[in-house]
Amino acid sequence: AQSVTQPDIHITVSEGASLELRCNYSYGATPYLFWYVQSPGQGLQLLLKYFSGDTLVQGIKGFEAEFKRSQSSFNLRKPSVHWSDAAEYFCAVGGGTGGFKTIFGAGTRLFVKA
Amino acid sequence: DADVTQTPRNRITKTGKRIMLECSQTKGHDRMYWYRQDPGLGLRLIYYSFDVKDINKGEISDGYSVSRQAQAKFSLSLESAIPNQTALYFCATSPGQSNQPQHFGDGTRLSIL
Repeated sequence: AQSVTQPDIHITVSEGASLELRCNYSYGATPYLFWYVQSPGQGLQLLLKYFSGDTLVQGIKGFEAEFKRSQSSFNLRKPSVHWSDAAEYFCAVGGGTGGFKTIFGAGTRLFVKA
Repeated sequence: DADVTQTPRNRITKTGKRIMLECSQTKGHDRMYWYRQDPGLGLRLIYYSFDVKDINKGEISDGYSVSRQAQAKFSLSLESAIPNQTALYFCATSPGQSNQPQHFGDGTRLSIL
């Protein structure tokens, strides 16, 4: 069965520091992977996606993620965090057949301190 | 204007009341979804629809029903609301092709007393 694990419920980083949010997935075939961000009072916005090809994908707002098949991971990174990055981040996984549904992780809340 | 619009944005109601949450989209997407979000649980799928004549239950459909009135409209109903249905509800859409990212509305915060 498909599943997504985000091991960290919340993370606090200093402004300007680097960030890595972890995501592990379970899926029986090649996964389609997504990272979304949710700011307070808003819906989820797509940061980036991985379908195939280059395992390092670039997204919006300076984020990137690396797909590692051997580790079943799709970690999100940013070299220098800004205060406006404080939000909740969701990793999601899906598959390639019709009738597909997306499975979301429980989310990681990012706090940024000055 | 928002591509995916949910109404109302907030609702407080009493146990046993019938509630309808509405979702409309201007993206022209065939697929529409209803999720609920609870702290620590992420998003859980309630119902989804791949076109006007295709409606499917998600993982937590008990106590909910939906109606796909048109390609652009997908409403969620709670026939007799109960307190544990208090949550943040999201509508989302995606194109007809498999596995495209979903586009979300801003959510409806529902409180049932």
